[in-house]
Amino acid sequence: QQQVRQSPQSLTVWEGGTTVLTCSYEDSTFNYFPWYQQFPGEGPALLISILSVSDKKEDGRFTTFFNKREKKLSLHIIDSQPGDSATYFCAASRNSNNRIFFGDGTQLVVKP
Amino acid sequence: EAAVTQSPRNKVTVTGGNVTLSCRQTNSHNYMYWYRQDTGHGLRLIHYSYGAGNLQIGDVPDGYKATRTTQEDFFLLLELASPSQTSLYFCASSDEGDTEVFFGKGTRLTVV
Repeated sequence: QQQVRQSPQSLTVWEGGTTVLTCSYEDSTFNYFPWYQQFPGEGPALLISILSVSDKKEDGRFTTFFNKREKKLSLHIIDSQPGDSATYFCAASRNSNNRIFFGDGTQLVVKP
Repeated sequence: EAAVTQSPRNKVTVTGGNVTLSCRQTNSHNYMYWYRQDTGHGLRLIHYSYGAGNLQIGDVPDGYKATRTTQEDFFLLLELASPSQTSLYFCASSDEGDTEVFFGKGTRLTVV
């Protein structure tokens, strides 16, 4: 059973637009939700994360939102740039241990 | 920043062959992981370890063995490689109580 579901599988946006990626999860004991960014030829790297005690976290053009009641989270990228073109993974874990469950990823292309 | 080094970066083997993928991390992290990445399936955990001599089974362990020989070194073994094991393999590490995972650059394995 997949623990974390992510959509869409792929997405194309124009430069300057807003990108929205979404995820849902099943296990209500998850309390830590990171987003990882992966460029071609590289391993994923932590982009932004949020704890379940918060509903929003911003880092520059990137914002993640968390809805505990609906068990959903999202990543918003404002003023999307071609350099943001990458694969994005949402993930979930219980921060009492080091096991992280990843979604299937969204391949984002930002066209100039 | 944590450094996770994988070798080889690319490998081609024949069906039924033996393959060993190597991983070394240099930040004394307790946890190490092996993932495979396939289109449409995201990152799937094969095996992980929380210290030398320890091994934990992940979500897709069939056909794989792993061994953690030291704090730094984690190996993934395919003793009878099959075409279904053609994939991009990532090693990763994280510290005890710290949920950020640091990934290597990956090994692309092709089984023909």
